[in-house]
Amino acid sequence: DAGITQSPRYKITETGRQVTLMCHQTWSHSYMFWYRQDLGHGLRLIYYSAAADITDKGEVPDGYVVSRSKTENFPLTLESATRSQTSVYFCASSEIGTGDQPQHFGDGTRLSIL
Amino acid sequence: AQSVTQLDSQVPVFEEAPVELRCNYSSSVSVYLFWYVQYPNQGLQLLLKYLSGSTLVESINGFEAEFNKSQTSFHLRKPSVHISDTAEYFCAVTPGDDKIIFGKGTRLHILP
Repeated sequence: DAGITQSPRYKITETGRQVTLMCHQTWSHSYMFWYRQDLGHGLRLIYYSAAADITDKGEVPDGYVVSRSKTENFPLTLESATRSQTSVYFCASSEIGTGDQPQHFGDGTRLSIL
Repeated sequence: AQSVTQLDSQVPVFEEAPVELRCNYSSSVSVYLFWYVQYPNQGLQLLLKYLSGSTLVESINGFEAEFNKSQTSFHLRKPSVHISDTAEYFCAVTPGDDKIIFGKGTRLHILP
């Protein structure tokens, strides 16, 4: 089925560990985004990508790394997890990154860092 | 700077009563406006959008929103809510050629 898939849905890890959240879309959308959702803060953009091999920082990029070697995949890596990175992470995609095109969201990854 | 303000973080309302979720934005350029809905344990889904033309836009499940340029508002309304409308609602704005900006969300609680 066409759509956007995030994995894992739930993850528990420890402080200092590296963890990678996966995102895969089947629409061939050019743009992909990573957000974190926290109570009181709404959605905050971490990183986005306009195409394969093109990525850029969003509002809260510190502590995160992204890559985009293929159009359909956009993994997010926490290189050394901290408790403040406990959150729900959403991946999204859109045909273009601006204007009248809405974003399509995955169902999220709930990440807990102990 | 561009911004989106959702004036209420939570809105409780009785089932079958009307509801209005408020959204104001600030932008010096033309905007596209969206409402997204997030059901529990799911991602955001597009509910409706205003791009141009008629200032009143409707969704398939009975919600509507009206673009008011003079008040820079895009409030979401439904004349009679159902328990299945329990969700968090996000207003979003795309100013000109810039990236989308989301409000902080409004949790809609439907009371039996």
